[in-house]
Amino acid sequence: DGGITQSPKYLFRKEGQNVTLSCEQNLNHDAMYWYRQDPGQGLRLIYYSQIVNDFQKGDIAEGYSVSREKKESFPLTVTSAQKNPTAFYLCASSIPGHHETQYFGPGTRLLVL
Amino acid sequence: DAKTTQPNSMESNEEEPVHLPCNHSTISGTDYIHWYRQLPSQGPEYVIHGLTSNVNNRMASLAIAEDRKSSTLILHRATLRDAAVYYCILVSSNTGKLIFGQGTTLQVKP
Repeated sequence: DGGITQSPKYLFRKEGQNVTLSCEQNLNHDAMYWYRQDPGQGLRLIYYSQIVNDFQKGDIAEGYSVSREKKESFPLTVTSAQKNPTAFYLCASSIPGHHETQYFGPGTRLLVL
Repeated sequence: DAKTTQPNSMESNEEEPVHLPCNHSTISGTDYIHWYRQLPSQGPEYVIHGLTSNVNNRMASLAIAEDRKSSTLILHRATLRDAAVYYCILVSSNTGKLIFGQGTTLQVKP
């Protein structure tokens, strides 16, 4: 079964702690994306990557970091610099093209203790 | 990035057609119109997209106004499983980025 997996489903972060959210896809897609969703709001783009070893900041990149060492994987680190990290985080992938469909994972809900 | 305007919420009865409107008066000639939907606590799911002509697929139909400043997503027979937030999104052919608004929450009554 091809698709996108995100883990964990729920993640708890302590003050001052960095946490990493996992995103893996076996769709052979070159492009991958990270979004943040706050309650009752639409999604906002954090980072995206069109190809391995390359990524660009989205609209709300401050306090986050990413890496793209493998085509299948695009982990997101929420750093201690992100002062309001509680949100629903969604990963997506697509064939890179200028209007291609994005396929989304099930999401990770991050909560601050 | 061009923006879209959608009603906050709509209601429908089960097995009746639903027309979800979207205004995008600042659309550029190379922007595609995409629709996604999101069930509670799940990732968005692609529904349909188009550029100028009306489009049909197994999930829905997309009717695009001749001037492209508005579009309508049509669910031909709503089911309870169609209750979700529906997002109308303009995708730039230059960047490929999705810019989400708040969407329309569709309630389907049995």
